[in-house]
Amino acid sequence: SAVISQKPSRDICQRGTSLTIQCQVDSQVTMMFWYRQQPGQSLTLIATANQGSEATYESGFVIDKFPISRPNLTFSTLTVSNMSPEDSSIYLCSALRGGSGNTIYFGEGSWLTVV
Amino acid sequence: AQKITQTQPGMFVQEKEAVTLDCTYDTSDPSYGLFWYKQPSSGEMIFLIYQGSYDQQNATEGRYSLNFQKARKSANLVISASQLGDSAMYFCAMTPAGSSGSARQLTFGSGTQLTVLP
Repeated sequence: SAVISQKPSRDICQRGTSLTIQCQVDSQVTMMFWYRQQPGQSLTLIATANQGSEATYESGFVIDKFPISRPNLTFSTLTVSNMSPEDSSIYLCSALRGGSGNTIYFGEGSWLTVV
Repeated sequence: AQKITQTQPGMFVQEKEAVTLDCTYDTSDPSYGLFWYKQPSSGEMIFLIYQGSYDQQNATEGRYSLNFQKARKSANLVISASQLGDSAMYFCAMTPAGSSGSARQLTFGSGTQLTVLP
């Protein structure tokens, strides 16, 4: 199985600030994704992190609010910009390793609370 | 578009008993993958089991098995010999199959909160 580490695991953020979440995979992966899980809700895909190019965003999510980087095949970051209380969520990184069949793994999640 | 429906917001099971968590899906894709994840209160998403739409046999992983009924578009998770540590939220999810990037984007159901009673 792939090991996916996320930092920070938890944070309390002030309204109007930005926070960058890091996702590190223990081996090269073909696909990396970022999901959001609002309190009591299911997971919603934010974007696909593409290595060496701009991320592909889902409807309702924009690059200015959620800039994503993926400089190599094992690392990605998600920034939550100009945060408001509505951004309080768990943010999860997931990855698919090429040749691993059809198993999609997740990081431990980053709990953000905006006050 | 794909849709996952989990109709059981909460389920209770006695320790050591088996429990079935329901999942139905809707898709126009000819091939697809179905997943189950466990999310404890810590928030991490733990992969449990995968079933491909063209797999002839139902998937099994230890105490987890997936009851796949393609004609009924259902992919129920069966947990045998429940343990207290099985108490968690369980999500059913699916992707279209294929090699494109969209083939690995998961669509999730609303989840079922399972509580195992001692």
